[in-house]
Order: sequence, then C-alpha cells, then structure tokens
Amino acid sequence: DQQVKQNSPSLSVQEGRISILNCDYTNSMFDYFLWYKKYPAEGPTFLISISSIKDKNEDGRFTVFLNKSAKHLSLHIVPSQPGDSAVYFCAASAGNFGNEKLTFGTGTRLTIIP
Amino acid sequence: NAGVMQNPRHLVRRRGQEARLRCSPMKGHSHVYWYRQLPEEGLKFMVYLQKENIIDESGMPKERFSAEFPKEGPSILRIQQVVRGDSAAYFCASSRTVTSGWYEQYFGPGTRLTVT
Repeated sequence: DQQVKQNSPSLSVQEGRISILNCDYTNSMFDYFLWYKKYPAEGPTFLISISSIKDKNEDGRFTVFLNKSAKHLSLHIVPSQPGDSAVYFCAASAGNFGNEKLTFGTGTRLTIIP
Repeated sequence: NAGVMQNPRHLVRRRGQEARLRCSPMKGHSHVYWYRQLPEEGLKFMVYLQKENIIDESGMPKERFSAEFPKEGPSILRIQQVVRGDSAAYFCASSRTVTSGWYEQYFGPGTRLTVT
C-alpha cells in the first residue's frame, strides 16, 4: 500500500525554467510533509518542509505547496540550475511531534538541461 | 559538526553470513531511524530507536533482522543469514528530541549491502 506517491519517475527541465515536482498521499493522518534531494551514492538531504496547517512554504528558490483537500503537494524550483539534477523524494509524517517515522514516495529523477 | 556517520559504506556478504551495519547519530541527537532502499524504489522505514529502547519496529522483517542503540556507542542494524533479497542501501537518520512542532531527520551516506 503506497501511501505516498510520486507518479512521475523522471522529469527534464531546461536550465533557468521552473521545475515542478508532484506528490500525492492517501493517509489523512499525515500532518507534516518534507522534500529530500538525493545524489547517487549519498544519503538524502533535507530541502524544505511544510506543516498541514499551512498551504505554502518558501525557502529561496524552493517553494512547497500543499492542497489538503486534494491530498497533493508540489515542489517548485525556480530558476532551475544544473546542480538541481538529482532524485527528489517526497516524505510524510503522522504525529504531533518531530520524532516520527517518515513515509517516502518512490522519487522523481530531475534532469536540468543546460 | 559532524553529520550522521555510517560504516561500512560498502559491505559484501555471502548468503548465510551475518551483516552488521553501524550508525553514529549527529551530536546532540538521541533518536535514530533505519530505512532501507531497494533498487529503483523509495526509502522504507524499518525501525526507530532511542538510547536502549526500540520505539517503533513496525517496518522490520519478522525474522533475521534486529536493531539496537546501546547507552554507549553506535546504533547497530544486524542481519543474520543474509539472502540475496537483502541487497539494498541501508540509511540511518537521526533527529533531536522535540517537544512541539517538528524537526527534520538528517540522513547518513548509507551502507550498500551486496549479498553474493
């Protein structure tokens, strides 16, 4: 039972344009969502997060949008840069405090074309 | 400030042998999580530990797998009698204790286990 889904295994975007990565979830108990970036042979690196009480969180070039009614979130990267090429994982947590397990999607491989 | 440390980075075991994976959390972090990533899949939660306690092991296979986080020293994920299906990347993450809000988990570089 895949509770967090990333339906696009890969995405290619021209350098300088906007990259939009999508994520859907099914568990209504999820109340905190995170995006991680992963390079080959490395561990995931935290990018940005959002609580279920918000619908948008922005950090520099990265913005995460949450649509609770649709159980959908997206990560926008603008402008996209070659160093953004990596696999991006959406993750979710159910619980009021941070010490909870994460449920991950299967990832989207983003390729930025120079 | 060192990040999450994992060793070894690569581990090759023959079928039937034991694999021991180690994880040292970030300084100040007392919560450790283990995740497994099979080829072409996302990370799957295995177990969550605090010092000397297993908090949540709902993702651990029922047999051959065990984990500990002793009072002193690193957390250990132990796989007995490994099989080819255990070949995967095993990631450890750590976080500090929070009393409100949320705090992200920081991941180590992973141990890539290959069973031949």
